Amino acid sequence: SQQGEEDPQALSIQEGENATMNCSYKTSINNLQWYRQNSGRGLVHLILIRSNEREKHSGRLRVTLDTSKKSSSLLITASRAADTASYFCATADRGSTLGRLYFGRGTQLTVWP
Amino acid sequence: NAGVTQTPKFQVLKTGQSMTLQCAQDMNHEYMSWYRQDPGMGLRLIHYSVGAGITDQGEVPNGYNVSRSTTEDFPLRLLSAAPSQTSVYFCASRERDTQYFGPGTRLTVL
Repeated sequence: SQQGEEDPQALSIQEGENATMNCSYKTSINNLQWYRQNSGRGLVHLILIRSNEREKHSGRLRVTLDTSKKSSSLLITASRAADTASYFCATADRGSTLGRLYFGRGTQLTVWP
Repeated sequence: NAGVTQTPKFQVLKTGQSMTLQCAQDMNHEYMSWYRQDPGMGLRLIHYSVGAGITDQGEVPNGYNVSRSTTEDFPLRLLSAAPSQTSVYFCASRERDTQYFGPGTRLTVL
């Protein structure tokens, strides 16, 4: 399976601190994506990084990708209580023309006021 | 745009009953998929479709059927519900590399 694995499983921080989550995967990918899921809701796409990119920014989000180590990290700067959610990485198989996504188990982030 | 909609939001079934989970999208996306999410697990792909009339199996297809008669709709059918199918089900449509998820259906099979 190419399923990504997030680390840590749970992260608890204070507002204003930075949150870093990591994702490792097993095989070659076309791209890696990060999604957020608020409790009881569907997943929301946050950011996508392609296999030929090393870093990408979107607002307070910074994603890095190291294809040699088959790993990615998501950094949320200046966290807010509203960032409390589960965060999932998803990988798109390089060998698949259909772009199927494989999701990890997620990191539960709690940001305390 | 309503995006991806799913009905019902909650459902309780008895073992052996059948039902259909509805999914619709108004973004004219060709690619749609169904996932299930279990506690402590990521999402697992059940079935997907790359366009009207074309469907294929994902990682965990057993016990589920799908059809795709229109671009908008992608229903998921449980033929004979089992307790192992208790889960939260998400439908998604895709544009390029980004997937758009519905709000989910929480299904309990007793």
